[in-house]
Amino acid sequence: NAGVTQTPKFQVLKTGQSMTLQCAQDMNHNSMYWYRQDPGMGLRLIYYSASEGTTDKGEVPNGYNVSRLNKREFSLRLESAAPSQTSVYFCASSSSRTQYFGPGTRLLVL
Amino acid sequence: AQTVTQSQPEMSVQEAETVTLSCTYDTSENNYYLFWYKQPPSRQMILVIRQEAYKQQNATENRFSVNFQKAAKSFSLKISDSQLGDTAMYFCAFMKGNYGGSQGNLIFGKGTKLSVKP
Repeated sequence: NAGVTQTPKFQVLKTGQSMTLQCAQDMNHNSMYWYRQDPGMGLRLIYYSASEGTTDKGEVPNGYNVSRLNKREFSLRLESAAPSQTSVYFCASSSSRTQYFGPGTRLLVL
Repeated sequence: AQTVTQSQPEMSVQEAETVTLSCTYDTSENNYYLFWYKQPPSRQMILVIRQEAYKQQNATENRFSVNFQKAAKSFSLKISDSQLGDTAMYFCAFMKGNYGGSQGNLIFGKGTKLSVKP
């Protein structure tokens, strides 16, 4: 039972490049989330998906898009990366009362 | 809007001693959940303990326990018999109740860095 998995673990991008962060869960959860974590901050919600086929903006959605591909997978896309998007990105999925997190993706935008 | 405040950016404790991490929150909701997550240097977010607001009894998980004061909107974490492996960032987090997916996201505090010294 892998829980929540994320790929890649680490990525370096140049300003203006695009990339997709992948997330998958094997716990049959309906809801999935993308957060970012910056130094000295807790995690902040970027986008979430309450169920397959739905997505909604969180606190900091600008510069990102998401796709809920199926119940298992929820991807985060940066269309044109900016240095301000340098961060650690966490995917999570939840049962009714608890969220379980993936190991994170460290993204550096130069 | 809900907010979560952790007023202690850093704390340290001697191995085998007890330490308490503070957390306060602000909400107008009556039904909600509170969490403590641990983030060791590996960056993995690990659930430590959960408290349902409708429960008066404080949650406990082995060496970890909380002091939940609903009226004061306070939710502190006590770690007993501290171990070197407890060294980590600890985040307090809030989730609205009436969970229907759209309100299931967590609101995090900024964290407390705990160092356990041998």
